[in-house]
Amino acid sequence: AQTVTQSQPEMSVQEAETVTLSCTYDTSESDYYLFWYKQPPSRQMILVIRQEAYKQQNATENRFSVNFQKAAKSFSLKISDSQLGDAAMYFCDRTGNTPLVFGKGTRLSVIA
Amino acid sequence: DAGITQSPRHKVTETGTPVTLRCHQTENHRYMYWYRQDPGHGLRLIHYSYGVKDTDKGEVSDGYSVSRSKTEDFLLTLESATSSQTSVYFCAISESPGTSRYNEQFFGPGTRLTVL
Repeated sequence: AQTVTQSQPEMSVQEAETVTLSCTYDTSESDYYLFWYKQPPSRQMILVIRQEAYKQQNATENRFSVNFQKAAKSFSLKISDSQLGDAAMYFCDRTGNTPLVFGKGTRLSVIA
Repeated sequence: DAGITQSPRHKVTETGTPVTLRCHQTENHRYMYWYRQDPGHGLRLIHYSYGVKDTDKGEVSDGYSVSRSKTEDFLLTLESATSSQTSVYFCAISESPGTSRYNEQFFGPGTRLTVL
């Protein structure tokens, strides 16, 4: 089965500090993409960052970056200089020849 | 923001009644998806469509059917609603399939369905 595992149901971080959310996945495909989505209390799903599996370079988007370890099938999200607006559910996802498979999410709290 | 709307946004219904949820897009994207979100489960794929009248099952398709007669509309039908189908339902669209560069999914605002 193609699965995505987020082992941290909840995390918290102090404002302005750095936090890393973990994600591991299982796939038999060689060509796939990995995503982190954010879901704030408004419920709207927002794409945070995307990684193409064939690219060795880790993706970055402003304060968000990933640590992609293909051999280990690991795809963690690092949020630097955390802000109150980063508080949300974060979902790790994988897509390829089969449609998107979501992890169960990590709820991130940001402490002022 | 991608032009995706869902209707209704909230619905309360009784067990055994039929329910249809509508997803409408203005982006002319080929791929459309229906997910349900439940606490502790994340989002799970119900059905998806890769073109007009072309649909396929997802992970949790039992009890649901879909139809897509136009590019812009993707309907999700619960033929006889059950309490286990109480959930938040999300529609999503993408320009290309999962192995393509332009495979980002854009999500609608969600529909909260309660089956009593």
